[in-house]
Amino acid sequence: AQTVTQSQPEMSVQEAETVTLSCTYDTSESNYYLFWYKQPPSRQMILVIRQEAYKQQNATENRFSVNFQKAAKSFSLKISDSQLGDTAMYFCAFRTLTGANNLFFGTGTRLTVIP
Amino acid sequence: EAGVVQSPRYKIIEKKQPVAFWCNPISGHNTLYWYRQNLGQGPELLIRYENEEAVDDSQLPKDRFSAERLKGVDSTLKIQPAELGDSAVYLCASSSPGRGRDEQFFGPGTRLTVL
Repeated sequence: AQTVTQSQPEMSVQEAETVTLSCTYDTSESNYYLFWYKQPPSRQMILVIRQEAYKQQNATENRFSVNFQKAAKSFSLKISDSQLGDTAMYFCAFRTLTGANNLFFGTGTRLTVIP
Repeated sequence: EAGVVQSPRYKIIEKKQPVAFWCNPISGHNTLYWYRQNLGQGPELLIRYENEEAVDDSQLPKDRFSAERLKGVDSTLKIQPAELGDSAVYLCASSSPGRGRDEQFFGPGTRLTVL
C-alpha cells in the first residue's frame, strides 16, 4: 500500500522569503511519479510540479523546486520569493507508473504568505 | 481549453435525502475520476472510469453511492440516502492517455453539507 505523509499542518512565510514544505511517502514500487498540488480557497486543485522517480535531477518550475531523496522517500517543495497568491493548501501526491493512474494524497499543509 | 466543469458548487440537504453531482471532463479526456475530500484531509479516490467502464470502484460505498458515465463523457455521482458523514467536497478530475496519464486536471468540486 502507498502512503503519503505531510507532517506540517500549517506553515507561514513572509512575502518574498523562501519556504520548504515536507513530504515523505512509503511504497515498495521502484518507479513512480510524485506531485505537489496547490488548492486555493476556490478549491480547484492545481498541479504545481511533478517528479519522475527514475530521474535523478530535481524538478523545477519557476519559483518552485523540489528536493527528491529517493532512498529516504522524501519529496519536499521549496517556494522561493513567496507571493501572496501562494497562500493555499498544498498536497503532496504519489502515483505508480504501472496500472491505475490513481493518486494517493497526503493530508496537506496550509501555507499562509504574510505581507 | 475549457477545464473540468462541476455542478452544483454547493449543496445542502437533510439526511436521508438523495443528492447528485455532475461532472463534464475536459474534451478528449477518456479517464474520469471522482474523489471525496473530507475536511482537513487530502482527496481520496471513489471511482475511476476509462471511457464508459468503471475500472476501479473499490472505494465506492456501494450501498448508498452510485455513479454512471454514459457515452463516456459526462458523469454523475449519486448518494441515496445521504448520511451526516457524507458531508465533504466531491472532486471530479480527468486525464488523457495522450499525456501519459500522469496529469489529472481537477474541477472546482461540489461542497456537500448534510444536516
